[in-house]
Amino acid sequence: DQQVKQNSPSLSVQEGRISILNCDYTNSMFDYFLWYKKYPAEGPTFLISISSIKDKNEDGRFTVFLNKSAKHLSLHIVPSQPGDSAVYFCAAISARGNEKLTFGTGTRLTIIP
Amino acid sequence: DAGVTQSPTHLIKTRGQQVTLRCSPKSGHDTVSWYQQALGQGPQFIFQYYEEEERQRGNFPDRFSGHQFPNYSSELNVNALLLGDSALYLCASSGGGQGALEQFFGPGTRLTVL
Repeated sequence: DQQVKQNSPSLSVQEGRISILNCDYTNSMFDYFLWYKKYPAEGPTFLISISSIKDKNEDGRFTVFLNKSAKHLSLHIVPSQPGDSAVYFCAAISARGNEKLTFGTGTRLTIIP
Repeated sequence: DAGVTQSPTHLIKTRGQQVTLRCSPKSGHDTVSWYQQALGQGPQFIFQYYEEEERQRGNFPDRFSGHQFPNYSSELNVNALLLGDSALYLCASSGGGQGALEQFFGPGTRLTVL
């Protein structure tokens, strides 16, 4: 039962343009959604999060949008830079203490110079 | 300040063997979670340790067990290895009142079962 889904395994974007990564979820009990970025041979690093009571959170070039009615969230990166090339994981969590993270399968983003 | 460290980096075992993976959390963190990331998949939660006790467990068989030491470091043990146990095993630490939103991951241990 895949509760968090990333339907695009890969995405290529021209440098300077906007990258949009999508994520869908099925569990209405999730309270927070997070995006992690992973380079080869490194562990995932936290990028940005959003509470389920909000619809947008912005941090520099990164903005996450949440549409609760559609159970959909997206990560926007603008402008995209070559260093953004990585695998991006969407994750969700229920805020009851130190709960487990439920991850999607990831999207490999490639920024074309 | 050292982040989360894991050892070994790579490991090759044969079916039926047992393996122990190690994790040292980030300084100031008291909670350790383990995840399994199979090829082409996202990390899957195995279990979490806090105050030397298993606090929560994912959908993994009893062949997967763990331990947390008084210094908060942790071990993941897998018995009777199967080919399907081949994966990247990630350790994440959190704590200091921040909860899981502040989980920091180590680089992982790549386990290959032949």
